[in-house]
Amino acid sequence: DAKTTQPPSMDCAEGRAANLPCNHSTISGNEYVYWYRQIHSQGPQYIIHGLKNNETNEMASLIITEDRKSSTLILPHATLRDTAVYYCIVRVRGRDDKIIFGKGTRLHILP
Amino acid sequence: GAGVSQSPRYKVAKRGQDVALRCDPISGHVSLFWYQQALGQGPEFLTYFQNEAQLDKSGLPSDRFFAERPEGSVSTLKIQRTQQEDSAVYLCASSFVTSGGADTQYFGPGTRLTVL
Repeated sequence: DAKTTQPPSMDCAEGRAANLPCNHSTISGNEYVYWYRQIHSQGPQYIIHGLKNNETNEMASLIITEDRKSSTLILPHATLRDTAVYYCIVRVRGRDDKIIFGKGTRLHILP
Repeated sequence: GAGVSQSPRYKVAKRGQDVALRCDPISGHVSLFWYQQALGQGPEFLTYFQNEAQLDKSGLPSDRFFAERPEGSVSTLKIQRTQQEDSAVYLCASSFVTSGGADTQYFGPGTRLTVL
């Protein structure tokens, strides 16, 4: 079973920041938080991952709470192309292992 | 370079037919994964190869499902005597093993299988 809990859907206005929450209260000390997204009719795409510090790359920012029990993925200026299902995943980094996906959050970007 | 490719993109089969789905991983990627995605659900793991060795097939739902990767590159997922419940998108992913262990999996576009 997935170790994360996400809202099933969210809306965000185009051009605004999209903040996607994820709860992972049973996360272990050696587990990282990963985010993938899946645009319609495509395979999942890696976005970002982090352990305990906030992370930022060209796609998004990841904010992890100090107790590591929850995190937020931030898309700073959402566009229509960001409409997708976003998956929050907890896994051990560097382990060549399967990914356990949950149901994710379906993000709708509104024009 | 080229990403993970899968063929066919769409397959319609009559119940009872055998199907073969192909995955071409990114060149040089040692690890290859197959996932099954039912409508409205997240992908679920089927099986995993490291080079030509099938190290984990715990997710295969029945003995009608068979996967191979004979030369450690291209992989084929075969489903025998297809049933309606096999209708799903079948995703392939590959990753490379670094000194720190493999990390990011790169996914193909998937094959949508419809069993009538």
